[in-house]
Amino acid sequence: EVQLVESGGGLVQPGGSLRLSCAASGFTFSSYWMSWVRQAPGKGLEWVANIKQDGSEKYYVDSVKGRFTISRDNAKNSLYLQMNSLRAEDTAVYYCAREFSSGLDHYYGMDVWGQGTTVTVSS
Amino acid sequence: SSELTQDPAVSVALGQTVRITCQGDSLRSYYASWYQQKPGQAPVLVIYGKNNRPSGIPDRFSGSSSGNTASLTITGAQAEDEADYYCNSRDSSGPAVFGGGTQLTVL
Repeated sequence: EVQLVESGGGLVQPGGSLRLSCAASGFTFSSYWMSWVRQAPGKGLEWVANIKQDGSEKYYVDSVKGRFTISRDNAKNSLYLQMNSLRAEDTAVYYCAREFSSGLDHYYGMDVWGQGTTVTVSS
Repeated sequence: SSELTQDPAVSVALGQTVRITCQGDSLRSYYASWYQQKPGQAPVLVIYGKNNRPSGIPDRFSGSSSGNTASLTITGAQAEDEADYYCNSRDSSGPAVFGGGTQLTVL
């Protein structure tokens, strides 16, 4: 079964750090771009960051640049999100998602999602 | 960074047809993908590409695109289709973006 399982969420004080993990199974993890997507309470989905198959390309939403770092370990089938200098506005459910795309056919999407892990930034 | 714009809320009578739209410049490079999200659940991909449905998605869901506007159409809406719907695309270079979401009410 194709599956993504996030972990590492919790309560953290403003300015603190947290490292999220996403364990992949049931597919060849090293063949896919991967993304982190978050959803603040009562709000919509927000793409946070993504990483290429070999980790050579990484992209971030402007609001987390310089504070968050996405990484992966293909040997462990795992995706990570290191979050530093956390702010109240980072409070959200964080999902990891598998990307798929075809530049030739001009399509892109996220076809496998984890159940999410909750990050709460509060004093 | 690019943006995708959706109407915040749409309603449809049971069994009728509803269209949810998404606008943005990135849609000139990539077709939108569409996700359904019900309360307390992770998003589910329902449409991608020109008009492709993943396995298990009912054929009442369809997609279309013109210029910088993408549309998700539900033909014969069912009560279980009541959910939030999000469009998604990416820049040609790599960053992705979601629309703000449309809350669909089935009356």
